[in-house]
Amino acid sequence: AQKITQTQPGMFVQEKEAVTLDCTYDTSDPSYGLFWYKQPSSGEMIFLIYQGSYDQQNATEGRYSLNFQKARKSANLVISASQLGDSAMYFCAMRRTQGGSEKLVFGKGTKLTVNP
Amino acid sequence: DTGVSQDPRHKITKRGQNVTFRCDPISEHNRLYWYRQTLGQGPEFLTYFQNEAQLEKSRLLSDRFSAERPKGSFSTLEIQRTEQGDSAMYLCASSLGSWASGYTDTQYFGPGTRLTVL
Repeated sequence: AQKITQTQPGMFVQEKEAVTLDCTYDTSDPSYGLFWYKQPSSGEMIFLIYQGSYDQQNATEGRYSLNFQKARKSANLVISASQLGDSAMYFCAMRRTQGGSEKLVFGKGTKLTVNP
Repeated sequence: DTGVSQDPRHKITKRGQNVTFRCDPISEHNRLYWYRQTLGQGPEFLTYFQNEAQLEKSRLLSDRFSAERPKGSFSTLEIQRTEQGDSAMYLCASSLGSWASGYTDTQYFGPGTRLTVL
């Protein structure tokens, strides 16, 4: 079974600073993908970044980067130069990428608050 | 460019009533997913379609729940004889399918339908 653990219920960061949101995962699948989504108070889940288990380099998308440490089974999200609009819930998720279930398995999320 | 849309956005119903939600995926996406999210939790998978075929159902999807995607486009999720425990956000997502998008096959979500059962 797949499991995602996000140990930080809430995080605070000053505007323009960087913040790291933690995510650890557990799976026996050899091939999998890791995703981060942002959920503002409006409720919509917004895709941020993807990392494949066989990708050699850490994924980056603008101000978002994923610190992928396969041996430690961690996939932390780094947000650089935080903005007030980054305040939201952030969810880490994973999915098999070769055969089997297509479902995403989510963690419980981390609430990020960016202070001015 | 139209994203995933869901209707209604909010639904309040009395216990025992039936409710139906609709999801319209991104037009070229052939996969459609339903998730449920309760307060303080991440979304939990309910079911998924590839075109009109329902390929996977979670054990969370009790006999009172049924989902359809009759023409491989929009989907409906019906809950019969609603219970207070059904109160949640119901999220729909769609994706291209692995053969078109590679292994990523990112799921894009709609705004959700918030159900309150009184």
